Order: sequence, then C-alpha cells, then structure tokens
Amino acid sequence: DIQMTQSPSTLSASVGDRVTITCRASQSISSWLAWYQQKPGKAPNLLIYMASYLESGVPSRFSGSGSGTEFTLTISSLQPDDFATYYCLQYNSFRIFTFGPGTKVDVK
Amino acid sequence: EVQLVESGGGLVQPGGSLRLSCAASGFPFSKFWMSWVRQAPGKGLEWVANIKPDGSEKYYVDSVKGRFTISRDNAKNSVHLQMNSLRAEDTAIYYCASPYPSGNNGLPAWGQGTLVTVST
Repeated sequence: DIQMTQSPSTLSASVGDRVTITCRASQSISSWLAWYQQKPGKAPNLLIYMASYLESGVPSRFSGSGSGTEFTLTISSLQPDDFATYYCLQYNSFRIFTFGPGTKVDVK
Repeated sequence: EVQLVESGGGLVQPGGSLRLSCAASGFPFSKFWMSWVRQAPGKGLEWVANIKPDGSEKYYVDSVKGRFTISRDNAKNSVHLQMNSLRAEDTAIYYCASPYPSGNNGLPAWGQGTLVTVST
C-alpha cells in the first residue's frame, strides 16, 4: 500500500507569512492528491484536488503543486482563519486511500 | 445541497458490535463510491473503507479487515459500516464521505461524524 508522509508535523507562523507544507508518497500517485484543512471539532474541508486545482469557494491564497511522489501546499499570506491542521490524501485508485499524518499550523 | 448524516455511534464494550449508518441526499447516490474515514481523539485522519457504486467492490484499511464490513442500500441512499470485535483502538469519530460531484476531486463532501467509544 502507498504510504504518505508530511513535513513539518508542526509549523509556527505569523499572520502574513508564506507557509509551505510538503507531502510525499511512497510511490508515484500521478496527481491524485488532495489537501484538507481541519479545525477542532469540525469535519475536514477540501482545499485542493488533483494536486493543484482549487476547490470552489476556497481563497486563492491557497495553492498546490507537484506530481508523482512530491507535493506542496502553499498559503501565500497566512490569515487568522488559517491556523488549523492540514492533511494530504492520496486517492490514486478509488480502492485504497491514505491520509498523511497532518501538519498543525499554530501561532508563532 | 449535498448532505451526509451519520448515526449509530455510542459506547460499546471491547469485543462488541456496532452498526453505523450514513444517510445521503442532494446527489445521485447510486452513481458514486462512498467512504468511511475515522479520527481517534487527538489523532489524524484515517481512511477506513470504500465501496463501489453497485456494491460489488469493497476495500478496507488493514487494521479493520475481517472485523468491519461496508455495505450500501442504493434504494434508500444509505451506506453502512458494520463493526464487529471492536477494540479500544477503534474509538474515534467516524465520518462518511463522498467524491460527489466527480471522482477526480478526492472527497469533497463529509458528514458531521458519529462518535464510537470502545470501553469497559
């Protein structure tokens, strides 16, 4: 099965910072990668799908890139509402999915 | 509007069973794969199971194989997760999720989750 890693596990940042989170797959998943934001007590919210496509309604400060085994989520200018935990999800086939372990973005 | 509403969670003793349900509305349920995802307290997201639109294919994370069974009833727009031989480590919020509106965008639609607690 495909394993996913994320780095860093925790990221301390300030409002206005540019933030980058990396997700790596143990084998190529082409562009079958999504990014989610989750806040405490809430279900995850889809931000990016197919590695780089912005989900409708998601602010344009979020962007995704990568293909194959290495992917990044970038927040161009961190806003107060963006302090949360971020997960990547590989969905290379609609059979076995794998989430990354998560990256918590907190206040520096 | 897409809605996914989970039910059936609760407190169960180790070794016990529980059946979760997810009622779907607002999209052509019978045309889409459905998923269950869980999150243990203070932990990350873990995919649990997927089921094909016609129910002919089912896939599970290794840790629940042989104990959990995913099923669906397309006539009632519902998906279920039968959980047997429950363990303390199965304690989690269980979410159902859907790839609607397409199979290319991961899982954009989620329910609010239902809490399963396995404890004496």
